[in-house]
Amino acid sequence: QVQLVQSGAEVKKPGASVKLSCKASGYTFTTYAMHWVRQAPGQSLEWMGWINGGNGNTKYSQKFQGRVTITRDTSASTAHMELSSLISEDTAVYYCARVLAGEIDYWGQGTLVTVSS
Amino acid sequence: QSVLTQPPSVSGAPGQRVTISCTGNSSNIGAGYDVHWYQQLPGTAPQLLIYGNSNRPSGVPDRFSGSKSGTSASLAITGLQAEDEADYYCQSYDTSLSALFGGGTKLTVL
Repeated sequence: QVQLVQSGAEVKKPGASVKLSCKASGYTFTTYAMHWVRQAPGQSLEWMGWINGGNGNTKYSQKFQGRVTITRDTSASTAHMELSSLISEDTAVYYCARVLAGEIDYWGQGTLVTVSS
Repeated sequence: QSVLTQPPSVSGAPGQRVTISCTGNSSNIGAGYDVHWYQQLPGTAPQLLIYGNSNRPSGVPDRFSGSKSGTSASLAITGLQAEDEADYYCQSYDTSLSALFGGGTKLTVL
């Protein structure tokens, strides 16, 4: 069965960077794209960007352009999302999510990132 | 603010029908991009509820239905049940192939 298993919770200081991972199993990693979506406490879902699992092409939200980098390691069937210059407003649960034909059919369990001095 | 606009909240009594709207513009929904809907129960990751405007994944009850017209889409829930109380999000794309989410709608079952 398809599973997306994300790395554990992180606590970071303002100005630092965080790199999250999302290990996929149960399907051919290179056949699907992966979104990264975040959700601040009590807030709505916010799209950050996506990566083509096959060719590694990326597309980022304008809001995060310059601060976010999404990569993949096809040998490990793992996607990574790095967010730099963290501020308190980046405190959120971060999800990786597999894209089927535009819709997201599987989500990771989420990783809580807390930014605090 | 989200580019896709949803009502912040809707409510209904058990057994009733509720609808949730998702309004976009000519650069996203109106440009022909499909709308997808997700249900998020408290403390859990969202789950796909409707894809391609009106299709239900296996396992989703037929009480849930979706439609799209012009620059808007709607999610309808009939025969409301207590377990339907959750947050609902619409999702689409824009002409730059950026994904878009609605601001979410909290459904309360009275």
